Amino acid sequence: EVQLVESGGGLVQPGGSLRLSCAASGFTFSDYWMHWVRQAPGKGLVWVSRIYGDGSSTGYADSVKGRFTISRDNAKNTLYLQVSSLRAEDTAVYYCARGKLSFDSWGQGTLVTVSS
Amino acid sequence: EIVLTQSPGTLSLSPGERATLSCRASQSVSSRYLAWYQQKPGQAPRLLIYGASSRATGIPDRFSGSGSGTDFTLTISRLEPEDFAVYYCQQYGTSPTWTFGQGTKVEIK
Repeated sequence: EVQLVESGGGLVQPGGSLRLSCAASGFTFSDYWMHWVRQAPGKGLVWVSRIYGDGSSTGYADSVKGRFTISRDNAKNTLYLQVSSLRAEDTAVYYCARGKLSFDSWGQGTLVTVSS
Repeated sequence: EIVLTQSPGTLSLSPGERATLSCRASQSVSSRYLAWYQQKPGQAPRLLIYGASSRATGIPDRFSGSGSGTDFTLTISRLEPEDFAVYYCQQYGTSPTWTFGQGTKVEIK
């Protein structure tokens, strides 16, 4: 069974940083593109970032470019998102998701709250 | 950047009724690149349809997708109580990037 489990969220002050993790199991992790998608409270889904299966290429939404960094450790079957220079508008549930054209598996999400 | 506009914003229907949800793209989208998701409160999204019309694993056949170009439709033939949720369309675009519509809420009338 495919499982994605996020962790690392929490309350952080504006300008602060966090590292989000997504532990994957039940599939060959290195075979898949992986993504982060976020959802602000009461709002819709917004794609944030993606990384190739071998980690050779990354991409970001304009709203997070230069502040967020996606990475993966295929030996540990873990996806990461380093979030820095956080703003109030980054407050959201952050989901990791698997797939290329569409996302066939999602984690349960981890909440990041940016507030002083 | 392609913008996806979903309509209506909210659909009020009774169990057993047919639901028709629309997703309109600002530019033509390849059918291969159009997907639909269901999200219930407090849960992660679930993939329903990919490639505009292919059901994902385990999705009941009351869910169907259709469309091409700029107009796509998700149809739920007979609403079950567990189908009341928010539905999002999504497209895979150049760069590459992924874009979601703003969602349609299907609520119990």
